[in-house]
Amino acid sequence: KAGVTQTPRYLIKTRGQQVTLSCSPISGHRSVSWYQQTPGQGLQFLFEYFSETQRNKGNFPGRFSGRQFSNSRSEMNVSTLELGDSALYLCASSLETLANTGELFFGEGSRLTVL
Amino acid sequence: AQKVTQAQTEISVVEKEDVTLDCVYETRDTTYYLFWYKQPPSGELVFLIRRNSFDEQNEISGRYSWNFQKSTSSFNFTITASQVVDSAVYFCALSEADSSGSARQLTFGSGTQLTVLP
Repeated sequence: KAGVTQTPRYLIKTRGQQVTLSCSPISGHRSVSWYQQTPGQGLQFLFEYFSETQRNKGNFPGRFSGRQFSNSRSEMNVSTLELGDSALYLCASSLETLANTGELFFGEGSRLTVL
Repeated sequence: AQKVTQAQTEISVVEKEDVTLDCVYETRDTTYYLFWYKQPPSGELVFLIRRNSFDEQNEISGRYSWNFQKSTSSFNFTITASQVVDSAVYFCALSEADSSGSARQLTFGSGTQLTVLP
């Protein structure tokens, strides 16, 4: 079965722009989580969506937002990009919330470079 | 607040050697979950194992084994007879449980870069 698909894989933006990243979870998975990975801060949780509702949110500014559609696909948006937003953004899906399986299936990520 | 420490930034071993990756965690909760993930160069994180805080039984899966000790807040990962394909970054992670016992988001350690030389 197809894995978690993230698009685009690579993108370059300039400061002040906004970006939208997309994630298609594994078929049947209703939970989607987003993580930011940087060399300095490591892997940090952004948010989790389950059945179109945001269930958890990490400590990121309001410039970071997300949503989930009825088909469980998710998007995250970063507005007014800053140099520090350069990172690998990882999306993960699970069958239900972490409670029941604990197993997250990750995509290969979207690597964002902000110039 | 929860915290995961992986003190070993990089480890290099020769193929067939055994290697242990250390993980120490901090949490105030009595119910929590511990994980190990592998990140190969392709970038995607691959789930290896999950342990519940109330299950201290060690686990072995092929060449992989995990030693969970609540007394020392450690959840170490050992690869026996390492292979070149084991080269990757390994992350330990912790998730606390909410009031319903459900796991919340993962807090990751900084990762250990394992290089297995032929």
